[in-house]
Amino acid sequence: EVQLVQSGAEVKKPGESLKISCQGSGDSISSYWIAWVRQRPGKALEWMGVVYPGDSDSKYSPSFQGQVTISADDSISTVYLQWSSLKASDSAIYYCARLNGYYQTNGMDVWGQGTTVTISS
Amino acid sequence: QSVLTQPPSASGTPGQRVTISCSGISSNIESNTVDWYQQVPGTTPKLLFYSGDQRPSGVPDRFSVSQSGTSASLAISGLQSEDEADYYCAAWDASLHARVFGGGTRLTVL
Repeated sequence: EVQLVQSGAEVKKPGESLKISCQGSGDSISSYWIAWVRQRPGKALEWMGVVYPGDSDSKYSPSFQGQVTISADDSISTVYLQWSSLKASDSAIYYCARLNGYYQTNGMDVWGQGTTVTISS
Repeated sequence: QSVLTQPPSASGTPGQRVTISCSGISSNIESNTVDWYQQVPGTTPKLLFYSGDQRPSGVPDRFSVSQSGTSASLAISGLQSEDEADYYCAAWDASLHARVFGGGTRLTVL
């Protein structure tokens, strides 16, 4: 059974760049869509987008298009979420999650432990 | 403002049956199946249902779902204290080309 292990908490300043990771272990993630989900403090889950590590195809929610980049390195079973210029409003917990099928029609059945990102001047 | 609408809170006593609603529009719930997630505060979300009524292994059959038109609902029977959590619905939105979530419902077991 695959597990998704995310990189550790980050504290950054506004305007800085950041790349967080999510590594699959126990099984290949090549043939699964992997999503990124944001959860701001005390708020609901928000779907940011997905990537298919097998061919690095990525899709974005309109709310996050142009704000973040989702990528993958299939050779090390890792997907990434990155920002080029962070804002205070990016402070949140970010989860990666595996979809149990095609990204449009299936749920997220395996979740990473979450990466807390704090942006403060 | 979430695309799918859920009541912010629900409550029940142990053993009771509670229902949590999720309301959408034609481009999401009416044309696609709904997922449901459970999140105990401070923990990672857990998938309860996907592709409509498909239940991952390990999810008790006390949990059930229904979906009709632009609405869906999650029912929990024989409520237990361990069911106290936030519950989220989600569905693909064909207009936004994105998966959209509800705002979440905080279930309290009294």
